[in-house]
Amino acid sequence: ILNVEQSPQSLHVQEGDSTNFTCSFPSSNFYALHWYRWETAKSPEALFVMTLNGDEKKKGRISATLNTKEGYSYLYIKGSQPEDSATYLCAFSTASKLTFGTGTRLQVTL
Amino acid sequence: DTGVSQNPRHKITKRGQNVTFRCDPISEHNRLYWYRQTLGQGPEFLTYFQNEAQLEKSRLLSDRFSAERPKGSFSTLEIQRTEQGDSAMYLCASSPETSGNEQYFGPGTRLTVT
Repeated sequence: ILNVEQSPQSLHVQEGDSTNFTCSFPSSNFYALHWYRWETAKSPEALFVMTLNGDEKKKGRISATLNTKEGYSYLYIKGSQPEDSATYLCAFSTASKLTFGTGTRLQVTL
Repeated sequence: DTGVSQNPRHKITKRGQNVTFRCDPISEHNRLYWYRQTLGQGPEFLTYFQNEAQLEKSRLLSDRFSAERPKGSFSTLEIQRTEQGDSAMYLCASSPETSGNEQYFGPGTRLTVT
């Protein structure tokens, strides 16, 4: 049974704060690690797909790193904005399916 | 809109009734997935199709659940004799075969069984 864990469960920050979340996953039989952002009433939106140990990816103010040897990934948001409020999910991928963590719920207030 | 679409978006049903949901994937995506998300949990894998072939089913998919993708395009997920524990968000995703398993999700169907 694959166990993907995310922390913290929820986070409340003020506009302008930088923040980061953690995703831990099994380090054996690694295929890919995905990050999604899921806003209420919308579809989960793919942020990053990471496959190589040491990968670092960036999209605007959001970036992610990957360590497959120790089984963790970090997602960073620089200068949080209210529109960043969402649930951030990570998922461990095999060739056929995704196994998700429970997500980190981020709320950014003015 | 060329994304993944799901219908209906919301469904309220009484316990014991049958329900059917539909998913229209991104055209030309030959892989289609169903997931279920309950409160406080991440989405959990239910089943996966490559074209019309159902290649994998989770043990979460009890015999009351059946999924089809008859022509390799849209898919339906049917739940028979619904129970209150079936209340959840049902998500559909699709991917092209060579994407490295990058999956594109629809907005989900929220099922409430009363």
